[in-house]
Amino acid sequence: NAGVTQTPKFRVLKTGQSMTLLCAQDMNHEYMYWYRQDPGMGLRLIHYSVGEGTTAKGEVPDGYNVSRLKKQNFLLGLESAAPSQTSVYFCASNPGRAGQPQHFGDGTRLSIL
Amino acid sequence: SQQGEEDPQALSIQEGENATMNCSYKTSINNLQWYRQNSGRGLVHLILIRSNEREKHSGRLRVTLDTSKKSSSLLITASRAADTASYFCATDVGSGAGSYQLTFGKGTKLSVIP
Repeated sequence: NAGVTQTPKFRVLKTGQSMTLLCAQDMNHEYMYWYRQDPGMGLRLIHYSVGEGTTAKGEVPDGYNVSRLKKQNFLLGLESAAPSQTSVYFCASNPGRAGQPQHFGDGTRLSIL
Repeated sequence: SQQGEEDPQALSIQEGENATMNCSYKTSINNLQWYRQNSGRGLVHLILIRSNEREKHSGRLRVTLDTSKKSSSLLITASRAADTASYFCATDVGSGAGSYQLTFGKGTKLSVIP
């Protein structure tokens, strides 16, 4: 099993460019999450989804959009990248049952110049 | 806002020693989880303790939870160089559509010196 796969692993953008980060999970999990990790800040939740076709805002949603058209995929979009969005982005999934852990991908390292 | 706060921020020990990390949180929880993150990798789940549990073991890991003090501790016994990583506590406080969301602390960076 691949678990949670994130693509790309690294990306450099210029301010104002757009891009989409892809997260794919093969565990048939209902819930999926996007986090950002910044030095000294821990992980902060950007958006999440409780099932196919649903999305909801997390703690730091501004500047990001998401879509969950298929159960196994969760896309994170940056419409107009800003230097403040330089970060490491992690996707996670969860079965959506009590007492279950989240499963994480290995992250996308995004630099915006 | 950070729900969980780990202490210490960094810890350096010799191989074979025990490592203890603490986590404090602010609101009532459904469960508390500990994760490990190796450099350049994603988080890996270590152990989950429910709000009605006081202690849990998994191999060399021991987790305690004190809901009256809103705190938890992670003990790694007989540490190995391979235990070098950052350790995060995460709390699940949600209900309804917010269920199974986790709020992470800032982590403890553990260095185990061979």
